[in-house]
Amino acid sequence: KAGVTQTPRYLIKTRGQQVTLSCSPISGHRSVSWYQQTPGQGLQFLFEYFSETQRNKGNFPGRFSGRQFSNSRSEMNVSTLELGDSALYLCASSLAVYSHGTDTQYFGPGTRLTVL
Amino acid sequence: ILNVEQSPQSLHVQEGDSTNFTCSFPSSNFYALHWYRWETAKSPEALFVMTLNGDEKKKGRISATLNTKEGYSYLYIKGSQPEDSATYLCAYTYSGTYKYIFGTGTRLKVLA
Repeated sequence: KAGVTQTPRYLIKTRGQQVTLSCSPISGHRSVSWYQQTPGQGLQFLFEYFSETQRNKGNFPGRFSGRQFSNSRSEMNVSTLELGDSALYLCASSLAVYSHGTDTQYFGPGTRLTVL
Repeated sequence: ILNVEQSPQSLHVQEGDSTNFTCSFPSSNFYALHWYRWETAKSPEALFVMTLNGDEKKKGRISATLNTKEGYSYLYIKGSQPEDSATYLCAYTYSGTYKYIFGTGTRLKVLA
């Protein structure tokens, strides 16, 4: 079974630009979560989608948005990029059959975003 | 603000040593505690999920315990090997949400 894939793997942008990252979950997984990791910080939760609906959102500004398609693939968009947005962005998928809180999350390899 | 703390931040051990790390989390509204291993240049990989107070899980030389009343979990590695070198993350979930709150991790280096 194919794992979680993320594209692109690396990205360089300049301040003020916008970026879209893509995540394809494991087949059959309906929940996709997004995380940001910066040096010295743990994985910071951005948002979680289930059946095309955002179920929960972390404490990030409105420049960070996402969506999920009917095939469970998800995209994350960051508008008006700032230097501080440079980070590794990870997505994770899970079955979310019963309860999301106990589901094992399967992570993708991440997208390394550098903002110059 | 819900906070998950892990200690130590990093440690070096000799091959063959046993070691353990701590994950502290809020005890109220606890739902589940997850442990992940994250090797350099790879994706985080799930080790355990625990839900009940007193839970103990084991996978080879790695085991974990859970105390939900006092809000901590221990991860133990017996007879550390160089391939155990990784960052070990814990994540806490609480009732009524779909958020996983991660700690900053414990970076383990096993010296051959």
